[in-house]
Amino acid sequence: GQSLEQPSEVTAVEGAIVQINCTYQTSGFYGLSWYQQHDGGAPTFLSYNALDGLEETGRFSSFLSRSDSYGYLLLQELQMKDSASYFCAVRERGNEKLTFGTGTRLTIIP
Amino acid sequence: GAGVSQTPSNKVTEKGKYVELRCDPISGHTALYWYRQSLGQGPEFLIYFQGTGAADDSGLPNDRFFAVRPEGSVSTLKIQRTERGDSAVYLCASSLSSGSSYEQYFGPGTRLTVT
Repeated sequence: GQSLEQPSEVTAVEGAIVQINCTYQTSGFYGLSWYQQHDGGAPTFLSYNALDGLEETGRFSSFLSRSDSYGYLLLQELQMKDSASYFCAVRERGNEKLTFGTGTRLTIIP
Repeated sequence: GAGVSQTPSNKVTEKGKYVELRCDPISGHTALYWYRQSLGQGPEFLIYFQGTGAADDSGLPNDRFFAVRPEGSVSTLKIQRTERGDSAVYLCASSLSSGSSYEQYFGPGTRLTVT
């Protein structure tokens, strides 16, 4: 089976940078996705890494190290609207389902 | 364009009753997924369709849960003899194809409460 670990809560200051880590254990890793979910809202796709390295999409970047079974989401120039839960999700080889972590609740303070 | 829609948005039912939850995916998306999310948890995979067929139903908790997608578009999740432990938000998602499952588009969910 799979398991993913993320910090349950992170607090950061508006305008700053924050990193949300995700470690995973899986038998046939294929890729790591990141999703954002505001309270009462639907998860929305942010980023995906299948290869080692950094993927940048505007203020958000995601990093993957396959050898360390580790990834992170980096959010820059934080805005109050970035307060939400962030989930990493593993995609396994030969399997199209996503397995989500328990999520990191990010709180932005002024 | 229209996103994924789910109906009803809220459903309250009594223990032991039967419920149907509907999902209308993004037009042209061939892959459809059902998840269940409890408070403070991540979405938990239930079942995935590629076209009309259930490609992976390994997440369905027991035989009270069943899902169909008869024409490869709209899907219905059916729960028989509901139990209080079934209370959760049921999320539906779609992706362009199974190969792009890493990027799923989620609907707003159906909040199911079993009393």
